[in-house]
Amino acid sequence: GIQVEQSPPDLILQEGANSTLRCNFSDSVNNLQWFHQNPWGQLINLFYIPSGTKQNGRLSATTVATERYSLLYISSSQTTDSGVYFCAVDPFMDSNYQLIWGAGTKLIIKP
Amino acid sequence: DAGVTQSPTHLIKTRGQHVTLRCSPISGHKSVSWYQQVLGQGPQFIFQYYEKEERGRGNFPDRFSARQFPNYSSELNVNALLLGDSALYLCASSLDGYNEQFFGPGTRLTVL
Repeated sequence: GIQVEQSPPDLILQEGANSTLRCNFSDSVNNLQWFHQNPWGQLINLFYIPSGTKQNGRLSATTVATERYSLLYISSSQTTDSGVYFCAVDPFMDSNYQLIWGAGTKLIIKP
Repeated sequence: DAGVTQSPTHLIKTRGQHVTLRCSPISGHKSVSWYQQVLGQGPQFIFQYYEKEERGRGNFPDRFSARQFPNYSSELNVNALLLGDSALYLCASSLDGYNEQFFGPGTRLTVL
């Protein structure tokens, strides 16, 4: 089945710094989503981005489907950005209607 | 519009007991998916329901079952609880199961 790899696994930054999180996937996908999981476990939708580039405030994402990767950019980090960032894909083949998840990037923003 | 709701928020059970978790999707969404997330890992797919029919099932034992009601809400049932069933159970709602999925706050289950 499809493999989803996220990097880096952990990231510690000072408030105000910028960061880039990466998601690689091993096969074609129908769609890709980025989520932020806060310390209470709530998964917050960031982007639904099977291809192209989207921006939402300080966050932006780019998916290059032909090269099988997606990038999440966070600019001017704030302490509230801390948490785990997940990439999840819906495989083109053998989906079984499920999202396949990466292991996540744990982001800590220090004041 | 209200988001995805789940109940209860927290639950403590003992081994061998049975548990029922509930989920109400976003209004207008007809598909509900259930995921299990253990500490330190990404969510694992359990089921997807669409129009009251099971449409996808993950690699979980038969102790796990679910159903979807005419109002599109859903229940996840787990029988004969094991210690390893302790996890955060997440419900996701989408228009038809192919589109963007939106998650509820989860039910944190502890099995003692």
